[in-house]
Amino acid sequence: NAGVTQTPKFRILKIGQSMTLQCAQDMNHNYMYWYRQDPGMGLKLIYYSVGAGITDKGEVPNGYNVSRSTTEDFPLRLELAAPSQTSVYFCASGQGITFAAEAFFGQGTRLTVV
Amino acid sequence: AQSVTQPDIHITVSEGASLELRCNYSYGATPYLFWYVQSPGQGLQLLLKYFSGDTLVQGIKGFEAEFKRSQSSFNLRKPSVHWSDAAEYFCAVGTNFGNEKLTFGTGTRLTIIP
Repeated sequence: NAGVTQTPKFRILKIGQSMTLQCAQDMNHNYMYWYRQDPGMGLKLIYYSVGAGITDKGEVPNGYNVSRSTTEDFPLRLELAAPSQTSVYFCASGQGITFAAEAFFGQGTRLTVV
Repeated sequence: AQSVTQPDIHITVSEGASLELRCNYSYGATPYLFWYVQSPGQGLQLLLKYFSGDTLVQGIKGFEAEFKRSQSSFNLRKPSVHWSDAAEYFCAVGTNFGNEKLTFGTGTRLTIIP
């Protein structure tokens, strides 16, 4: 059972480059989330989705974009990479808080922008 | 908006000693509360959750947490820690009402000494 799969695990970007962080889940979860984790800051929500075709901003959406064309996939796009986007990115999925459900996390993508 | 405070950035305990990690939340209604653990280089794993009912909840790996509404707290405890408990611990509060998402605290790093 794969759960939540994130690719790549590591990436180095130059300032101004773009990239897409991939996230896929095989648990048929409606809810999917993207978080970034910075030392001492905990996890900050970037974007989330409550189902295919529906996305919404979290606490720190600037510089990112998402799409949700299928239930399984929730890619995160960085258009013009900046050093401030150096972070560890986590994707998560779940059935939603109201269903007393937990969020399942991927292993993370460590991104460095130089 | 909801928020979570974990006042202890780093805690060191001896193997076999008891543990209590503090968590305070701010939310206007009855919260959904979670504790997650993150081992080095890994994603987050759910330890336990509180939604309603008994205010003392049991989780995996011998952890428990007590919800105290009067103190807006949800502290995590373990009677006797093991070296494998060394990790970072995150408290989170969840909301519903159409925008189901988790808000995380900044985390507490636990070090175990022999």
